[in-house]
Amino acid sequence: NAGVMQNPRHLVRRRGQEARLRCSPMKGHSHVYWYRQLPEEGLKFMVYLQKENIIDESGMPKERFSAEFPKEGPSILRIQQVVRGDSAAYFCASSPRSGAALGEQYFGPGTRLTVT
Amino acid sequence: QQQVKQSPQSLIVQKGGISIINCAYENTAFDYFPWYQQFPGKGPALLIAIRPDVSEKKEGRFTISFNKSAKQFSLHIMDSQPGDSATYFCAASKGSNYQLIWGAGTKLIIKP
Repeated sequence: NAGVMQNPRHLVRRRGQEARLRCSPMKGHSHVYWYRQLPEEGLKFMVYLQKENIIDESGMPKERFSAEFPKEGPSILRIQQVVRGDSAAYFCASSPRSGAALGEQYFGPGTRLTVT
Repeated sequence: QQQVKQSPQSLIVQKGGISIINCAYENTAFDYFPWYQQFPGKGPALLIAIRPDVSEKKEGRFTISFNKSAKQFSLHIMDSQPGDSATYFCAASKGSNYQLIWGAGTKLIIKP
C-alpha cells in the first residue's frame, strides 16, 4: 500500500527556468493538496484539487504558479520563471474525501526546490 | 485571526522526561486541532488530533490537552525517547474547511 509519492525529491533550477513537481496520491484518494514550507516555518496551503478540477487555489501566488490534476496521471505543480524566493520544500497531501475528515490528509516526502 | 502561534521554537529534554509544546489560536471557529511529527527529509505525519468537545486525548505516550476558554492546546510527550527527536507542528482548521493553518514548528531534541 504505497503512500503519497512525490518526485523528484530534489530539484535544482536556475533563475528563469521552469520547475515541475509531481504528486501521485495514495490509491483510492481523489483529493490532492499542495503546501509550501519555507525553512524554519510551518506549511502554507497553496491549492486543493480533485480530478480535473481546481477546487481552491487561494494560497497560490497569482503569477507563475499553476497546478493540475488530470484524469490520468499525477498532479503537477508548475512554477514558471523560478526566482530564488521559490526555494522551499513543496509537499503534496492526499485524502479520500474532503471536509471534516481532515486528519486523513496523508503527506508525501516533499520536493525540495533550490533555485540558484 | 487565522494564525496559530506555537512555542517554544526549540526544546531539549532528557530521555525519560516530559516534553511539552504549546499552541494558541484566535479564531473560535476552529474545531479541529491536529499535531504532526516531521523527521528531517520527510513529510509531516499525523500524530494525534482533538476536537473541542473534549479536554484531553491520549494515545500511548502522547497526550493533547485542550483549553477552549483560553484558546490553547498543548502536546505532552511522556517518557520522551531519543526516537521522538523531530519537529512537531500544531495545526487548526474549521468546519468542513480542508485548509490546515499551521504553527511554525518546535524542534524537539531528546538527549540520551
